Amino acid sequence: DIQMTQSPSSLSASVGDRVTITCRASQGISNYLAWFQQKPGKAPKSLIYAASSLQSGVPAKFSGSGSGTDFTLTISSLQPEDFATYYCQQYHTYPLTFGGGTKVEIK
Amino acid sequence: EVQLVESGGGLVQPGGSLRLSCAAYGFTFSSYEMNWVRQAPGKGLEWVSYISNNARTMYYADSVKGRFTISRDNAKNSLYLQMNSLRAEDTAVYYCVRDLRSGSGTYYNLYRQFDYWGQGTLVTVSS
Repeated sequence: DIQMTQSPSSLSASVGDRVTITCRASQGISNYLAWFQQKPGKAPKSLIYAASSLQSGVPAKFSGSGSGTDFTLTISSLQPEDFATYYCQQYHTYPLTFGGGTKVEIK
Repeated sequence: EVQLVESGGGLVQPGGSLRLSCAAYGFTFSSYEMNWVRQAPGKGLEWVSYISNNARTMYYADSVKGRFTISRDNAKNSLYLQMNSLRAEDTAVYYCVRDLRSGSGTYYNLYRQFDYWGQGTLVTVSS
């Protein structure tokens, strides 16, 4: 199975900060990577697919990059509604696998 | 409006069975592939199973293979997950997830989006 490792597992940031989350795959997955946002008690929400394509309706402050084994999710200017947990997911090979999550908290 | 509504969760004893349902609204269900994803209390997301739009292809996580069966009824716009031989580690919120493919040709599998999620149904396996 392909292991997905996210870092950091949590971070504290202030409103207006630029935030970057990293996701590493245990083997090459080309661009078959998605990012999700989850708020407490809610279902996850799709943000990014194909490593860098923005899901419809998602604001452009979210961006994704990377290919192969190393990927990043960047939030350009953190807003109060962005405090949540973020997950990466590879869909290159079954079983599909998620990263462990990155919790973004208010500093 | 696209909606996915799960039901069938509850408390079950170890070794027992449960069948989850997911009712789909607001889109042509038979045209979409579907998945189940679960989340144990306080833990991360775990993909559980996939089914193609015509139900000819299914995939499972190793942790549930041989115990869970995914199925669908396109005439009833419904997705199911039959869960047998349940274990304490199957305790989780189970989400029904639509699988959108917006690409074609070589990009069919690349432009894949888990674009709509249900609200989830809680399964608790405990004696």
